[in-house]
Amino acid sequence: GQNIDQPTEMTATEGAIVQINCTYQTSGFNGLFWYQQHAGEAPTFLSYNVLDGLEEKGRFSSFLSRSKGYSYLLLKELQMKDSASYLCAVVDSNYQLIWGAGTKLIIKP
Amino acid sequence: ETGVTQTPRHLVMGMTNKKSLKCEQHLGHNAMYWYKQSAKKPLELMFVYSLEERVENNSVPSRFSPECPNSSHLFLHLHTLQPEDSALYLCASSQSWGATDTQYFGPGTRLTVL
Repeated sequence: GQNIDQPTEMTATEGAIVQINCTYQTSGFNGLFWYQQHAGEAPTFLSYNVLDGLEEKGRFSSFLSRSKGYSYLLLKELQMKDSASYLCAVVDSNYQLIWGAGTKLIIKP
Repeated sequence: ETGVTQTPRHLVMGMTNKKSLKCEQHLGHNAMYWYKQSAKKPLELMFVYSLEERVENNSVPSRFSPECPNSSHLFLHLHTLQPEDSALYLCASSQSWGATDTQYFGPGTRLTVL
């Protein structure tokens, strides 16, 4: 079966750095998305990776290793507004989006 | 402004009621989706419409009935729901279906079935 694993919850301190991991086992791979979802709000697009390596967008970076079935989202200089759930999703060989259950990130002052 | 709106934002209904959820996208996209989001579970894809035709129906009970009258609007008609149907229902759209296009989500309807 197809599976996406990410930690259920993480806690970090304002101003620090946090890495949220995502591992996947899917039938084929056509890219990996990260979304941010604040409580009670819509998931919003953060990044899309299809090639190996690190892509940086301001305070957020996303890394992909296709050979290891692994991605991470790196958040730097954490702010209180970064408290949210982070969803990992993989596009499989049929171009279907397979979702993880999300990681709830709690930022403490 | 996500470009995808949903109404109502909150809905409480009894098991014998009939109600409808509405989604509208202002992005000119050709594909629209209904998802169910339950706590600590992955998003569950319910239905997909591409160019107003239903292309996915993931074993969803018949008490959920989708309708797509045009490429900008999507409805989810609800009848004789069960308490386990209580969840956040999210609508999304993308430029096309069956590709790697980014999906854009609405804020969801929080549904409670009593």
